[in-house]
Amino acid sequence: DVVLTQTPSTLSATIGQSVSISCRSSQSLLDSAGNTYLYWYLQRPGQSPQLLIYLVSNLGSGVPNRFSGSGSGTDFTLKISGVEAEDLGVYYCMQATHAPWTFGGGTKLELK
Amino acid sequence: EVQLVESGGGLVKPGASLKLSCVASGFTFSDYWMSWVRQTPGKTMEWIGDIKYDGSYTNYAPSLKNRFTISRDNAKSTLYLQMSNVRSEDTATYYCTRHILRVFDYWGQGVMVTVSS
Repeated sequence: DVVLTQTPSTLSATIGQSVSISCRSSQSLLDSAGNTYLYWYLQRPGQSPQLLIYLVSNLGSGVPNRFSGSGSGTDFTLKISGVEAEDLGVYYCMQATHAPWTFGGGTKLELK
Repeated sequence: EVQLVESGGGLVKPGASLKLSCVASGFTFSDYWMSWVRQTPGKTMEWIGDIKYDGSYTNYAPSLKNRFTISRDNAKSTLYLQMSNVRSEDTATYYCTRHILRVFDYWGQGVMVTVSS
């Protein structure tokens, strides 16, 4: 199975600070058709996960543009440009290039 | 409004069976692939498997394939997860999700399953 390693595991930030989360894959997530099935989800406290980013860099519906995704191959990054209070929670990357689909271990974003 | 509502969880003994349901509303259920994803108490996320929109094809995580079965009833807009011979490590919150082009765009609120004697 593909292993996704997220760093850091915990991130402390102040409101307005810009932060980045890394997701590193044990295999390339580029498939033979040229697609990279890498996603980012946010799980706020007490809630279900919600989609933030799909296919590496595309914003999900209704997701603020302070969120951005980048990367290729095995290295991917989620950036939040100006953390807001509603961004607190656990962020997960997920890959769907290789079966079985797998998730990273999560990064908890908390207020400093 | 898209809604996915899971039910059927609870406390179950090791070796027993349990069937979870997920009732969908707010969209044409029969147009979408659906998946089950679980989250352990330690917050680890695991994809269980998915089912094609017409129910004709399923995929499973290899580690769960022999004990878990996904099915659907499009007439009832309901997704199912049949769990058999459950183990303590199956203790988790189980989510049903809608997906399109491998994107989990909607998730249910989740249902807890606790496996303990």
